[in-house]
Amino acid sequence: GNSVTQMEGPVTLSEEAFLTINCTYTATGYPSLFWYVQYPGEGLQLLLKATKADDKGSNKGFEATYRKETTSFHLEKGSVQVSDSAVYFCALSGGGSQGNLIFGKGTKLSVKP
Amino acid sequence: GAGVSQTPSNKVTEKGKYVELRCDPISGHTALYWYRQSLGQGPEFLIYFQGTGAADDSGLPNDRFFAVRPEGSVSTLKIQRTERGDSAVYLCASSFGPPDLNTEAFFGQGTRLTVV
Repeated sequence: GNSVTQMEGPVTLSEEAFLTINCTYTATGYPSLFWYVQYPGEGLQLLLKATKADDKGSNKGFEATYRKETTSFHLEKGSVQVSDSAVYFCALSGGGSQGNLIFGKGTKLSVKP
Repeated sequence: GAGVSQTPSNKVTEKGKYVELRCDPISGHTALYWYRQSLGQGPEFLIYFQGTGAADDSGLPNDRFFAVRPEGSVSTLKIQRTERGDSAVYLCASSFGPPDLNTEAFFGQGTRLTVV
């Protein structure tokens, strides 16, 4: 069945450091790919998405590129801020998963000043 | 309302009791989803409604779990004979349609269920 695997955390970085959170997926067909973020005390929010191969999703300085050849959707940010501290979830929909999202386990990011 | 609302925010119940969790989706959203998030895990799909009907209930773990959406808006997740393993955060999300190319699912803050 469809699945998402993302790097385990926690990840601790200093402010202005470069961030990569790896995400790979297994799916039949052509899924859409998402990154969701959960800030402390808040609900899940969509951060960015990509719906076909080679698409790049971007938002708030974060980027991820849909790589079909490596079945990956790694999240990157060039310079993290303390306010980016949150839990990040990679997810997919479609590709055989009707009407629902399949999530990875989440990666907790802590950014220190 | 402005967002997806879930009540209660916290629920503590004794093993064996019955609980109901409520979700008020964003007005006009026809699709509604329930997920369960255990500690240290990502959300796991439970059930998906399109309008009043359950389009996909393949994620419900067993027959103690049931969900309804009688008027195509508010939904209630019902758990009978609760077990300690049911303890988790139950998330609700809604969208204009299935999570395909052009729709976004908006999540509520969840109900934290603790079975003691």
